[in-house]
Amino acid sequence: KQEVTQIPAALSVPEGENLVLNCSFTDSAIYNLQWFRQDPGKGLTSLLLIQSSQREQTSGRLNASLDKSSGRSTLYIAASQPGDSATYLCAVLGGGSEKLVFGKGTKLTVNP
Amino acid sequence: GAGVSQSPSNKVTEKGKDVELRCDPISGHTALYWYRQSLGQGLEFLIYFQGNSAPDKSGLPSDRFSAERTGGSVSTLTIQRTQQEDSAVYLCASSLGVLGQFFGPGTRLTVL
Repeated sequence: KQEVTQIPAALSVPEGENLVLNCSFTDSAIYNLQWFRQDPGKGLTSLLLIQSSQREQTSGRLNASLDKSSGRSTLYIAASQPGDSATYLCAVLGGGSEKLVFGKGTKLTVNP
Repeated sequence: GAGVSQSPSNKVTEKGKDVELRCDPISGHTALYWYRQSLGQGLEFLIYFQGNSAPDKSGLPSDRFSAERTGGSVSTLTIQRTQQEDSAVYLCASSLGVLGQFFGPGTRLTVL
């Protein structure tokens, strides 16, 4: 059974810092890995999608990497801003299954 | 529309009543998913539809929960005889192949 773990559960940083969020998964047989952002009371916004054959994806100040063999992904946020404050969720789509398995998220607070 | 839409955005009901939640997926997306997010819990898979295939109902928590998808597009999640533990945010997502899942804003269900 696929399990996804995100560390840390919460993170508070001053504005302008670069930061890394971590995600690990137990079964390396995945199709892809997706990073989402969730604002309080809102749905999920897809940030980055990494296919199993890829090593990283970039969008603006965000960079996500994938090491499938070790079951790890990181989300790097450069020059953080207060508007980046949200919960960040990692989810994997496993081989043979069409459902996403989610971590419990990292709650990020960027202080002005 | 451009994204996944869900209605209603909020639903308050009394214990024992039936409720229906609606999801309109992104046009052209063949797959549709329902997830549940309870307070303090992670995102939990409920059911998955792919084209005309039989749905994957493996995540439905009890036989009080059912869902249908008409014409390969709109989906309705029905909860019969609601219980207080059914209170949660119900999220719908759609996808095309393994190109990532895109989520709607969710329906917040409160059972009194």
